[in-house]
Amino acid sequence: EPEVTQTPSHQVTQMGQEVILRCVPISNHLYFYWYRQILGQKVEFLVSFYNNEISEKSEIFDDQFSVERPDGSNFTLKIRSTKLEDSAMYFCASGGQGTDTQYFGPGTRLTVL
Amino acid sequence: DQQVKQNSPSLSVQEGRISILNCDYTNSMFDYFLWYKKYPAEGPTFLISISSIKDKNEDGRFTVFLNKSAKHLSLHIVPSQPGDSAVYFCAAREISGGYNKLIFGAGTRLAVHP
Repeated sequence: EPEVTQTPSHQVTQMGQEVILRCVPISNHLYFYWYRQILGQKVEFLVSFYNNEISEKSEIFDDQFSVERPDGSNFTLKIRSTKLEDSAMYFCASGGQGTDTQYFGPGTRLTVL
Repeated sequence: DQQVKQNSPSLSVQEGRISILNCDYTNSMFDYFLWYKKYPAEGPTFLISISSIKDKNEDGRFTVFLNKSAKHLSLHIVPSQPGDSAVYFCAAREISGGYNKLIFGAGTRLAVHP
């Protein structure tokens, strides 16, 4: 069964460093998303991406964040200068055209020291 | 922002009995609702969904009921099994400009005891 994959599973970084979180969505999906869950809090929407551009972003997704689909399979989230409060689980999700369901990857735990 | 609320942080049920997980929402523009199950250190796994034009959707042991007038939905699991023990998230879809994002509740931790 096709699934969304994410790497790395755990990323530890120093405050101020750049990180790139990687995702491989389900192959025939066209809609891509990033969510995050800070420990003990809700899963929060960050950004949606379709047709090689951001379709919507939340207030959390400020200028420090960017997304890219560098090739036909990967979807990345970059945080340019990490802050302590960026520590969270980051989930990638994808959805097929015309479908209402988003399928999530296993997540990347980001720890900013 | 409490657009989707799951007021019960935890629920304990005996194996074989019914589990009922509840979810309330405030935004009448939500048109689609989903339940996800999450195990520790894993991503949310899609379980079942319902469109706002329906009031019930069933898939095996899982049934979701939607009461639009009360802005309330519930997930019924019958019979409950120990493997159902997980955190269950209710999510609502908000369509904006033709694209959709999910608004999640805080989750309910279900424990099914033998």
